[in-house]
Amino acid sequence: LAKTTQPISMDSYEGQEVNITCSHNNIATNDYITWYQQFPSQGPRFIIQGYKTKVTNEVASLFIPADRKSSTLSLPRVSLSDTAVYYCLVGDYWDSGTYKYIFGTGTRLKVLA
Amino acid sequence: DADVTQTPRNRITKTGKRIMLECSQTKGHDRMYWYRQDPGLGLQLIYYSFDVKDINKGEISDGYSVSRQAQAKFSLSLESAIPNQTALYFCATGSENEQFFGPGTRLTVL
Repeated sequence: LAKTTQPISMDSYEGQEVNITCSHNNIATNDYITWYQQFPSQGPRFIIQGYKTKVTNEVASLFIPADRKSSTLSLPRVSLSDTAVYYCLVGDYWDSGTYKYIFGTGTRLKVLA
Repeated sequence: DADVTQTPRNRITKTGKRIMLECSQTKGHDRMYWYRQDPGLGLQLIYYSFDVKDINKGEISDGYSVSRQAQAKFSLSLESAIPNQTALYFCATGSENEQFFGPGTRLTVL
């Protein structure tokens, strides 16, 4: 099972770059790596997705090494509004072989002034 | 208008009552999902549906049932609510690799 492991929490200051690393040692060949952001009492929101190497969009960058056993979400110059929980997801399978996502407990990022 | 809507947004009910949470989406996706979230925890998948005739159990389906009335509608029912089903419930839709979530339904079972 492609279980993910992330730090429980992180603190940062405004204007800094934040890197959140996710471990997924058992990632399957066809799995993509996806990151979501969740604010309190709201549904998660898609941030970025990648398969290998580096992906960048207007919000974040995603770095994936060649072995794909980990990934790093990079948030440039964070602001107070980036305070949220960040989830790393990869595809996963139940024993019955049915596809599903696993949302772990995520990383609680707190941005300080 | 929101792409994924959930009704009600808040509900307080009593133990043993039947309750239905409804979800509608205008994204045009075939896949729909129901999750629950307990305070301070991640999301757990209850049920998911890949098309109108397809229903699949997730991690924590016991005590819940679903109905996929149309491509755009997916409802979640608690046949006999119990207090440990107090949680925030999210509906989602999307493709295999990206999901769009609704605003959530906060359910309290007394």
